[in-house]
Amino acid sequence: NAGVTQTPKFQVLKTGQSMTLQCAQDMNHEYMSWYRQDPGMGLRLIHYSVGAGITDQGEVPNGYNVSRSTTEDFPLRLLSAAPSQTSVYFCASSYSADYYGYTFGSGTRLTVV
Amino acid sequence: SQQGEEDPQALSIQEGENATMNCSYKTSINNLQWYRQNSGRGLVHLILIRSNEREKHSGRLRVTLDTSKKSSSLLITASRAADTASYFCATAGGTSYGKLTFGQGTILTVHP
Repeated sequence: NAGVTQTPKFQVLKTGQSMTLQCAQDMNHEYMSWYRQDPGMGLRLIHYSVGAGITDQGEVPNGYNVSRSTTEDFPLRLLSAAPSQTSVYFCASSYSADYYGYTFGSGTRLTVV
Repeated sequence: SQQGEEDPQALSIQEGENATMNCSYKTSINNLQWYRQNSGRGLVHLILIRSNEREKHSGRLRVTLDTSKKSSSLLITASRAADTASYFCATAGGTSYGKLTFGQGTILTVHP
């Protein structure tokens, strides 16, 4: 099993550009989430999903969009990149919110200039 | 605002000593989880304790949960240099099903 795969690993964007961070899991997990991690801030939840077709906002959703058309994929779209979105982004998935922990991807390091 | 707060923010110990990290949270939960993050890497799930459990063990890890005080602790016994990492608590459930919220973490350094 590949686990949770995030692409790309590194990305540099110019202010105002848009892009999609890809996240795929092959474990048939229903629950998927996107986090950003900034120095000294821990992980902050951007968006999460409890199944295909169902998404909800986390703590810091502004400037980001998600959709969940399949169980396997949960892409994160940056609509118009801003320097404040410079961060490390992690995707995570879980079989169950009650009994199982989350499996994390290795992250995407994004710099917006 | 983040649900969990960890204490201490940083902990430095010698190999062989025990390390204790604490986590406090604000609202009701279904479970509390602990994760480890090595520098520059993704997070790794360590242990999950449900709201109706008080203590759980996994290898050298011992987690306690006190729902009346809204707090948890992670004990790592006989620490090794390889345990050097950041440790995060995360809470799940309550009224926001499927939402996992993290604290800011404790940086543990174990000196050989």
